[in-house]
Amino acid sequence: QQQVKQSPQSLIVQKGGISIINCAYENTAFDYFPWYQQFPGKGPALLIAIRPDVSEKKEGRFTISFNKSAKQFSLHIMDSQPGDSATYFCAGGTSYGKLTFGQGTILTVHP
Amino acid sequence: DAGVIQSPRHEVTEMGQEVTLRCKPISGHNSLFWYRQTMMRGLELLIYFNNNVPIDDSGMPEDRFSAKMPNASFSTLKIQPSEPRDSAVYFCASRPGTSGIQSSYNEQFFGPGTRLTVL
Repeated sequence: QQQVKQSPQSLIVQKGGISIINCAYENTAFDYFPWYQQFPGKGPALLIAIRPDVSEKKEGRFTISFNKSAKQFSLHIMDSQPGDSATYFCAGGTSYGKLTFGQGTILTVHP
Repeated sequence: DAGVIQSPRHEVTEMGQEVTLRCKPISGHNSLFWYRQTMMRGLELLIYFNNNVPIDDSGMPEDRFSAKMPNASFSTLKIQPSEPRDSAVYFCASRPGTSGIQSSYNEQFFGPGTRLTVL
């Protein structure tokens, strides 16, 4: 059973545009929602994370919006840059740090 | 800090052979995770350890897969016998912190991965 559903699978954005990736989860035991960024040939790296007692978190051009009642959260990348082109994974986390990842979104930012 | 170290980076083997993947977590981290990444199934958690003890191996696909963590600085993932459908990138990740609710906020640090091809 897939517990974290991520969309879209791929996304193409022009430089300077806004990239939006959405995730929905089923497991109400999740208490931590990170986003990871992965470049080709590299391992995923933490980009930004949020706890369920907060509705929004912003770090630079990256913002997580969290809707606990809808069990949904999203990543917004403002002023998208070609260097942001990567695969993005959302995840739900529980105790011991176990993460369940979404399927990933391949983001391409055209110059 | 060298980060999480995995070896080999690439492995090509023939069906039926034994494959051993190695991981050295970041010093001081007490949780270690093994993941498998494929196009079809994305990032799947295979098994994770806390303080060298396996906590959850429900993601291990079958008995051909086994993992060990003999000490805090080393872990192995073994596939015996290997099959073509095992071809994937295998990641090891480590995390600081201790057990309990607060530890779930700690970042997982991924290694560079091992690309396994089984012919």
